[in-house]
Amino acid sequence: AQSVTQPDIHITVSEGASLELRCNYSYGATPYLFWYVQSPGQGLQLLLKYFSGDTLVQGIKGFEAEFKRSQSSFNLRKPSVHWSDAAEYFCAAEGGGADGLTFGKGTHLIIQP
Amino acid sequence: DTGVSQNPRHKITKRGQNVTFRCDPISEHNRLYWYRQTLGQGPEFLTYFQNEAQLEKSRLLSDRFSAERPKGSFSTLEIQRTEQGDSAMYLCASSSGQSSTDTQYFGPGTRLTVL
Repeated sequence: AQSVTQPDIHITVSEGASLELRCNYSYGATPYLFWYVQSPGQGLQLLLKYFSGDTLVQGIKGFEAEFKRSQSSFNLRKPSVHWSDAAEYFCAAEGGGADGLTFGKGTHLIIQP
Repeated sequence: DTGVSQNPRHKITKRGQNVTFRCDPISEHNRLYWYRQTLGQGPEFLTYFQNEAQLEKSRLLSDRFSAERPKGSFSTLEIQRTEQGDSAMYLCASSSGQSSTDTQYFGPGTRLTVL
């Protein structure tokens, strides 16, 4: 079955430190890949997406993600986090004949002052 | 363009009652999606529309659930004979439907609590 796995339920990072959130997918063929962020009371906001081409994708708010086919991964990174980055982050995939997105369970990001 | 809107934002109901949620997509977006998100989980796909046609349904969409998009604009999701297990955030998303690489834009969701 198609699936998206986010191994880390919670991650705590100090403000100003670098961040990497992990995402692995299991699909028959390379799906389209996405990262969304969800803040309390807010809808899901798209940070970035990968369809094809350059495996390093730049997104909004200083985020980037790298697609690695050999590892079936699409990890999200940010060089220096801000307190406002505290939120829930979801990796998602689309493909395999299905039209809806398949989401991971999310990673809750906590920023320490 | 005000984005995807959903009403109501919160709904509390008693078990066995029927509830209906509304989603207004971004203007001129042809595709409209419904997802359900339970606590501590990522959103799960329920169904989607291309204009007024409902093209795909997840196995999560039991026969107590029905979705419509009668004029290809707004959509409604009705849950009949609600159960406590239906308590969740119901999310709506829309996309232009012009290519396979469209982005889905999400609304703020309707939080349903079944007592």
